Amino acid sequence: QKEVEQDPGPLSVPEGAIVSLNCTYSNSAFQYFMWYRQYSRKGPELLMYTYSSGNKEDGRFTAQVDKSSKYISLFIRDSQPSDSATYLCAMSGDTGRRALTFGSGTRLQVQP
Amino acid sequence: DVKVTQSSRYLVKRTGEKVFLECVQDMDHENMFWYRQDPGLGLRLIYFSYDVKMKEKGDIPEGYSVSREKKERFSLILESASTNQTSMYLCASSFAAGGPGGELFFGEGSRLTVL
Repeated sequence: QKEVEQDPGPLSVPEGAIVSLNCTYSNSAFQYFMWYRQYSRKGPELLMYTYSSGNKEDGRFTAQVDKSSKYISLFIRDSQPSDSATYLCAMSGDTGRRALTFGSGTRLQVQP
Repeated sequence: DVKVTQSSRYLVKRTGEKVFLECVQDMDHENMFWYRQDPGLGLRLIYFSYDVKMKEKGDIPEGYSVSREKKERFSLILESASTNQTSMYLCASSFAAGGPGGELFFGEGSRLTVL
């Protein structure tokens, strides 16, 4: 079983819809949670960074962490065709000399 | 802004060739990483480095080696390229390794095709 599970999609929504992207994880030591956006043939770019449980909002994007359920979400309001990309969740523990653990990514298509 | 630059966006090599992928970061980050990304398999860590001349194996190091002679530069080497190494290679850097400041900043990727 993978440490981080993410539905690969593709997820297709109409422009203006609210999008919910999710990851579940098994390692209770994870404390730092990130969402990356990756356009086709490009490297991932950091979209959101959160620590522990709670919500964080940045424009149309909201990241939510529920550590009790080991579940994180990214919400995109008023989705735009330019949001069409693959979204990767990533997480790490508080200490330890290790790289991030990534989900496999969800491909999102926003139809105009 | 952090900039991570990968020297080649697209490469085509023949089986058995030695391949060098170069990566440079401009933010004085201690930590640098090489991943490969394949459809359905996600990002897989090949090697990482926490300091100059220091390297540690990731999850799939077989067939690869790395070099970090200067803090800003991290090279991935395929000693004898094989067709199963056809992939997108991503370099990343971070201020810390995990924990606060551990978010990764990625380059644009190098798409390698081995014939």
